[in-house]
Amino acid sequence: EVQLVESGGGLVQPGGSLRLSCAASGFTFTDHYIDWVRQAPGKGLEWVGRTAKISNSYTSNYAASVKGRFSISRDDSKNSLYLQMNSLKTEDTAMYYCTKTPILWGQGTLVTVSS
Amino acid sequence: DIVLTQSPDSLAVSLGERATINCKSSQSVLYSSNSKNYLAWYQQKPGQPPNLLFYWASTRASGVPDRFSGSGSGTDFTLTISSLQAEDVAVYYCQQYYGTPPTFGQGTKVEIK
Repeated sequence: EVQLVESGGGLVQPGGSLRLSCAASGFTFTDHYIDWVRQAPGKGLEWVGRTAKISNSYTSNYAASVKGRFSISRDDSKNSLYLQMNSLKTEDTAMYYCTKTPILWGQGTLVTVSS
Repeated sequence: DIVLTQSPDSLAVSLGERATINCKSSQSVLYSSNSKNYLAWYQQKPGQPPNLLFYWASTRASGVPDRFSGSGSGTDFTLTISSLQAEDVAVYYCQQYYGTPPTFGQGTKVEIK
């Protein structure tokens, strides 16, 4: 089955760190751009970052709101993608989705930043 | 960044009536080399991830009822629900994937009148 499954969300204090995982199955993971998109409670969809495919050297890009705090990495042996989130702020509270834009979305993992 | 502006922000339509949502892009998302518009439409219901309705502006995703249609090219796009059903109550988003970053419209909330 073609799917993306996120995990790793939870409650973290402001200034803390969290690593989200995105496990891919059913398609050749290395051949695709993969995006992270988030949605704060009651708000719209916000792109967070992207990792390019292998032919583009896995270059990563980030939204200005997270640049310098978040980083994306991949483990192709596990067909997995990671979002390392550091220096978390309350405004990072959101559901985080990984997506193979636009065709495939995961179910999301919830990150709550609160003291 | 490409800015997508949806209109209206919300609309209330009677069951069985037509609902129309517009999405205007700040620049063309039509890629001339393949004549494809890099524009998608999603439906999102509470507590669920976005559900893809259309990609390439008008290619219906698997399982999407044919009362939904997507149209437009370049900078102006439309999502139409020809006969609104109760299960269509949701927020609808357009997204461009022409450039990096991919960007979303602000969403349009569809309700029953």
